[in-house]
Parts: sequence; C-alpha cells; structure tokens
Amino acid sequence: ETGVTQTPRHLVMGMTNKKSLKCEQHLGHNAMYWYKQSAKKPLELMFVYNFKEQTENNSVPSRFSPECPNSSHLFLHLHTLQPEDSALYLCASSQATGLAGQETQYFGPGTRLLVL
Amino acid sequence: SQQGEEDPQALSIQEGENATMNCSYKTSINNLQWYRQNSGRGLVHLILIRSNEREKHSGRLRVTLDTSKKSSSLLITASRAADTASYFCATGGTYKYIFGTGTRLKVLA
Repeated sequence: ETGVTQTPRHLVMGMTNKKSLKCEQHLGHNAMYWYKQSAKKPLELMFVYNFKEQTENNSVPSRFSPECPNSSHLFLHLHTLQPEDSALYLCASSQATGLAGQETQYFGPGTRLLVL
Repeated sequence: SQQGEEDPQALSIQEGENATMNCSYKTSINNLQWYRQNSGRGLVHLILIRSNEREKHSGRLRVTLDTSKKSSSLLITASRAADTASYFCATGGTYKYIFGTGTRLKVLA
C-alpha cells in the first residue's frame, strides 16, 4: 500500500454518462496529480494541484474536470467522454512541487475506465 | 514532447540472471527516477538519482546516470520471478516528471 487510494477501481460508462473518479492520500502531501495511461503510450500528466491550487493543465479536453477540495482529496469529473478516453487513470501525490521535480511521487492503484 | 525512452521495450530472462534496462532523455534534468508497475496497477518508486550523482544502489538495484550522454541504466541483479513488471524512467524538470513508455521485464522461473 502506498498511502494513496483510488475509487472506483473499475468503471464502465457510456458516452453520455457523468461519473467521477476519487483519489485520497493519507501521506500528508500537498501536491496531487492525475495521469492517464493508455496502452503503448507514455504516462501522460493531466493535472497538477499544489496546495489545492491547479498549477498544471496539460492541454486536457474540457470533458475532464478536476477538483481538489483539500490537500488530501482529488477528484476527476468525467462527462461526455469518447471511447479513446478508455485508459488507466492514475492519481499520485508528493510532498511539494516547488523544488523542480525533486520529490518522489506516490501512486494509487488506478481506475481502469472503459468508455462504450 | 516525450522525454524518457526506455530500451529495450521488452526483456525476458531466466530467474537468477541480471536484467539491464536503459533510459535516454533529451533535455537537461534535475534528477531521474525509476519506477516499477505491476500489471494494471499503480507505479511504485524504486530509486532517485540526482544530476550530480553517477551511481546509486538500493538492495539488488543499481542505477547509473551519464548526463553527458543523457542516459541512465537500471540493473537488477539476481532477478526473481516477482521482479516481473514494467519499469519506467521519469525525468524531473520544472516541478513535474515526464515518463517514458517503459520496459516490460519478464523473469522466468
């Protein structure tokens, strides 16, 4: 266990559905991340939150909407997704992002998303 | 743009053998990390090497970094079946990491 939990672990949704992914970290970290992992592609950074403020949006389509109500929780709200959005969505946390990527990231187990 | 690229893409060895995988990157870095991922699971941090370090050890793991060649290698000695996983390098730049596509290692018992 890495101290980062994600729910649900698996999700199947239609293109018209609205769903949310949840991430919670129990490590006292102040930075949280969403990544997308598709088959045979590099891990793609989607969003970064540092002290609850969004500091990075890596050109992610607006059908993905993140929310960070506090330093321990991170959500990814999904609506009108496309089949190509099917992937493993990974949440991670780290102690801080102010020191030029010096911090180790701790990953959750991921949510396997299938969009039909 | 993709930063880290692992080589080989896939590696199959017998238990007890050593496994070596390489990572090349394009721009200057502050540090480089190696992560491991079991099938369909999250990534687990293995080791971090800073740009002013050349070699680092952690148990059966040995990482080298050559900033002049913009490359790093991960050596796993005396491999075990439980080492079967994908291994990723991540290069650290401005407050975020960029991951490669990974090396899929299979250790046969």
